[in-house]
Amino acid sequence: GAVVSQHPSWVICKSGTSVKIECRSLDFQATTMFWYRQFPKQSLMLMATSNEGSKATYEQGVEKDKFLINHASLTLSTLTVTSAHPEDSSFYICSAKGTEKRERGQYFGPGTRLTVT
Amino acid sequence: GENVEQHPSTLSVQEGDSAVIKCTYSDSASNYFPWYKQELGKRPQLIIDIRSNVGEKKDQRIAVTLNKTAKHFSLHITETQPEDSAVYFCAASTGGGKLIFGQGTELSVKP
Repeated sequence: GAVVSQHPSWVICKSGTSVKIECRSLDFQATTMFWYRQFPKQSLMLMATSNEGSKATYEQGVEKDKFLINHASLTLSTLTVTSAHPEDSSFYICSAKGTEKRERGQYFGPGTRLTVT
Repeated sequence: GENVEQHPSTLSVQEGDSAVIKCTYSDSASNYFPWYKQELGKRPQLIIDIRSNVGEKKDQRIAVTLNKTAKHFSLHITETQPEDSAVYFCAASTGGGKLIFGQGTELSVKP
C-alpha cells in the first residue's frame, strides 16, 4: 500500500512553453502533498506544500506565478511549470502525506525528469 | 526557518567496515528526523527515522542517534556491503510533514 505515482516520468519541452506534472496517491487519501526539486548531484529542495482545496504554500525564493500548484482532490496534485526555461530543467519529486497521524506516513513519487531545450 | 547541515559529502569505505554520516539542525522545534537512501534517478527511500523523544534507534545494520541538546543526529551503518552504495540524505521536520533535507552524502562501498 501507500503508492504515489507521477506522470510523466520524463518530459522534454521547448523554452517558453508550459508543462504539467501530475502526482497521484493511488491507494490512500493525501491531505497534503509536497513538491521538491532536485538538481543533479544536489539535495531535494522543498518548493511548496499543497493542501487539498486550498492554496499552496511556497518556500522562500520559489516563484508562485511560475510554478502553479493545484491540489483539487485528495488523490491528485499538479505542478505546472509555466514559461519554462533551460534553468528549470531538473528532477521534480512529489510526496504525499496520508491522513494517518504518524509522521512516517509520507510517501515519495518516482519523480519527473524535466528537460527544457 | 530550519537548516540542516550534513557531513561528509562523500564517504568511501571498504566492504565490512562501518560508515557514519552526521547532520546538524538549527530549529529546536524539529521533532522528526528521517534518513533516506537514494539511488541514481530514483525516489528517496526511507531507511530509518527517529523522533525527538528517543535517543537511539536500531534496525539490523542501521542505527540512528539523536542529541537534542547539541541538535545533531547521526546515521551508522555497520558491516557495509556494496549494495549500500548510494546517496544518503538526512532530513528534519517540525511536524506537518514538511521535510528539510541535508546536502546528501555519496557513500561508496568498495568490495
